[in-house]
Amino acid sequence: QVQLQESGPGLVKPSETLSLTCSVSGDSNNYYWTWIRQPPGKGLEWIAWISYSGATKYNPYLESRVTIALEMSKNQFSLEVTSVTAADTAVYYCARLPSPVVTRGSWGYFDYWGQGTLATVSS
Amino acid sequence: EIVLTQSPGTLSLSPGERATLSCRASRSIGSDYLAWYQQKPGQAPRLLIYGASTRATGIPDRFSGSGSGTDFTLTISRLEPEDFAVYYCQQYGSSLMYTFGQGTRVEIK
Repeated sequence: QVQLQESGPGLVKPSETLSLTCSVSGDSNNYYWTWIRQPPGKGLEWIAWISYSGATKYNPYLESRVTIALEMSKNQFSLEVTSVTAADTAVYYCARLPSPVVTRGSWGYFDYWGQGTLATVSS
Repeated sequence: EIVLTQSPGTLSLSPGERATLSCRASRSIGSDYLAWYQQKPGQAPRLLIYGASTRATGIPDRFSGSGSGTDFTLTISRLEPEDFAVYYCQQYGSSLMYTFGQGTRVEIK
């Protein structure tokens, strides 16, 4: 059984950097890892993914401010969002993304999600 | 960027009824680069359907997906009380970025 658990500061001041970590347990071989966010009362926005070999892909609207990194020796991956504003206030979810090796076909959906962590940007 | 438009915004139905949810893409995303998720209040989304029509592990067969190109449908054949939730479609046909629809709320009539 795969489990993902987000952790983060909860409250961040405007212009500062938001740092989040996702801890993974269970099957992690040949999977990619991703972050998705959801502002309160709104829809879902994909942020970035990272492969098991360290390749990355970012949402072009956020790419200049976000960095995703992998620490699989610790069974963790992380997200940093710089220069945050109130618009970055959201529940941040980490999720697993089956790779082409796993799906042997089309890929890009998210099969397991963490419970989410709320990050609020406020002074 | 591929924009997904879901309709209707809200669907009011009774348990036992059939639900039909639509997801339309701004341009073709191929035959199977679409997923559906269910989200209940205070919970993370749950994968229901991927590849437009393949049910994820553990998903009951009352959930079915269909469509290709720009028009996709999620059907719930007979609504159970636990099915009242918000449903999102997501496309992964574009290599630039993944996008979600704005959601359809299925509420108890």
